[in-house]
Amino acid sequence: DIQMTQSPSTLSASVGERVTITCRASQSISTWLAWYKQKPGKAPSLLIYKASSLESGVPSRFSGSGSGTEFTLTISSLQPDDFATYYCQQYNGYSTWTFGQGTKVEVK
Amino acid sequence: EVQLLESGGGLVQPGESLRLSCAASGFTFSTYSMTWVRQAPGKGLEWVSVITGGSKKTYYADSVKGRFTISRDNSKNMLYLQMNSLRAEDTALYYCAKLMPGDSPFDSWGQGTLVTVSS
Repeated sequence: DIQMTQSPSTLSASVGERVTITCRASQSISTWLAWYKQKPGKAPSLLIYKASSLESGVPSRFSGSGSGTEFTLTISSLQPDDFATYYCQQYNGYSTWTFGQGTKVEVK
Repeated sequence: EVQLLESGGGLVQPGESLRLSCAASGFTFSTYSMTWVRQAPGKGLEWVSVITGGSKKTYYADSVKGRFTISRDNSKNMLYLQMNSLRAEDTALYYCAKLMPGDSPFDSWGQGTLVTVSS
């Protein structure tokens, strides 16, 4: 099975800062990677799919990059609504979908 | 607007069964694969199962294979998860979600229904 590992597990940052979260796959998944945002008590929401495609309605300060086994989610200028937990997910077509363990972005 | 509304959660004892339901609206339900994802209290997301639009294919996480069964009724726009032989580690908030076309990520989510397995 493909394992997904995110780093860091927790990230402390201030409004306006540039934030980067990394996700590594245990084997190549091409660009079959998505990123989700989840706020406490709420369902997750899709931010990015196919590693770098922005979901409709998602602010342009979010961007994704990478291919193969290493991926990043970048928030160019952190906003108050962005304090949340972020998950990566692989969907490599082997009929399994695997999430990373999550990265909590908290107030510094 | 896509809407997904889960129901059927509750408190059950280990070894018992429960069936979750998800009512879908706002899209052509039969043309999209659907999924269940769970989240144990204070923990991360865990994919559980996927079913294709016409129910021809179903997929399960190893942790639930042989105990859980996903199904759908396209005439009623309903998704189901039959959970048998429940264990304490199945305690979680269960979300239903809609897949983007293809073997894809999950682009719309319900608010979840809580399943608690405890004696």
